Amino acid sequence: DTGVSQDPRHKITKRGQNVTFRCDPISEHNRLYWYRQTLGQGPEFLTYFQNEAQLEKSRLLSDRFSAERPKGSFSTLEIQRTEQGDSAMYLCASSFQQVKTGELFFGEGSRLTVL
Amino acid sequence: AQSVTQLDSHVSVSEGTPVLLRCNYSSSYSPSLFWYVQHPNKGLQLLLKYTTGATLVKGINGFEAEFKKSETSFHLTKPSAHMSDAAEYFCAVSDSGNTPLVFGKGTRLSVIA
Repeated sequence: DTGVSQDPRHKITKRGQNVTFRCDPISEHNRLYWYRQTLGQGPEFLTYFQNEAQLEKSRLLSDRFSAERPKGSFSTLEIQRTEQGDSAMYLCASSFQQVKTGELFFGEGSRLTVL
Repeated sequence: AQSVTQLDSHVSVSEGTPVLLRCNYSSSYSPSLFWYVQHPNKGLQLLLKYTTGATLVKGINGFEAEFKKSETSFHLTKPSAHMSDAAEYFCAVSDSGNTPLVFGKGTRLSVIA
């Protein structure tokens, strides 16, 4: 399978713990995006990378959130000191070129449950 | 700032009847518009997109959408619904090639046998 893969698919944690999600994009794609989706809502943009450079961060991305893409390939999204409000599906997507002419390819998401 | 409004949170149709899912957008530029579908426990899949050119765009599984600039709309249609079309549908907009997609809240499509 050469699609976008995310790991883990489901994470249950206690409030205050740290969690990390990993995303492996389609190999030739240079752009990687993180979105968050809560129940009954559409995906909300968090941040994106072009190669290893983080180009934009949403105001939704509080200082407890950090994302990296160290070698321009896979990316990690870490949430420190989790809160119950962080419970959501975290979606990763990748693309090869500008969004205007290309589509985003999404992974199946990592579901976070904070108890 | 760009935004999308999906006018119906839930649409229910009978199998074999037409589908209409409505989407209005706001954009300061010439937008690119997308429809994605999400089946339960699956990732979002692109149905169709409009960037430039022909305003009626055809997508997968018999879906199509028409870009109407004067109405700032990009409604999704299908002539005949199939049971397998039951899913969540999301409309999305991008102002330019460098802005990430902004999604609507989604429309859940139910198909009744």
